[in-house]
Amino acid sequence: QFVLTQPPSVSAAPGQRVTISCSGSSSNIGNSYVSWYQQFPGTAPKLLIYDNHKRPSGIPDRFSGSKSGTSATLVITGLQTGDEADYYCGTWDGSLSASVVFGGGTKLTVL
Amino acid sequence: DVQLVQSGAEVKKPGESLKISCKASGYSFNLYWVGWVRQMPGKGLEWMGIIYPGDSDTRYNPSFQGQVTISADKSINTAYLQWSRLKASDSAIYYCVRTYSFSSVYYFDFWGQGALVTVSS
Repeated sequence: QFVLTQPPSVSAAPGQRVTISCSGSSSNIGNSYVSWYQQFPGTAPKLLIYDNHKRPSGIPDRFSGSKSGTSATLVITGLQTGDEADYYCGTWDGSLSASVVFGGGTKLTVL
Repeated sequence: DVQLVQSGAEVKKPGESLKISCKASGYSFNLYWVGWVRQMPGKGLEWMGIIYPGDSDTRYNPSFQGQVTISADKSINTAYLQWSRLKASDSAIYYCVRTYSFSSVYYFDFWGQGALVTVSS
């Protein structure tokens, strides 16, 4: 249903490192820039990463992003219980249905 | 500080019309695209479209084209999302988003608090 593919859930212990993948194609990730969003239950999403790897002001450097080919990855290091949230990747898709597309979201559980 | 303040929750019946708003402050409204993102209950994010208030240039996700209308009034720094005939499947939270758009770069750097729209008979 969602153009970009993310794992439904990931988990790790506090202090650990976790990666969230976002897989697409040449019509989207392969030729566009990826952004990542964090959403806590009942609140609006917040921009975490833009232009594949840049962090907005105020986002800790524990959060990092990268892109390779048609996939992107969000890495969170030094996990904290406060990082438990849903994470979404997004990018422009230049195919016939030219539009911004998102992944289905990944629920991060900090054990 | 940049703020996007949306209108409140709405409860409507199928077939009714609705227009929700998003008032921007803290930046030059005319110079940034403003968009709308839908989130159905318990589901992910869907991009609906964007408008450039400076010249009202509007772009829609083909999935939403013809189903909604995006507009803006730059005199009062407000963007709108409207429906002429609501359906039960329009029940969702709608977020307005300040959008950076240039070539193949799109991202949403500020979000409104969301507006819950419930359509039920």
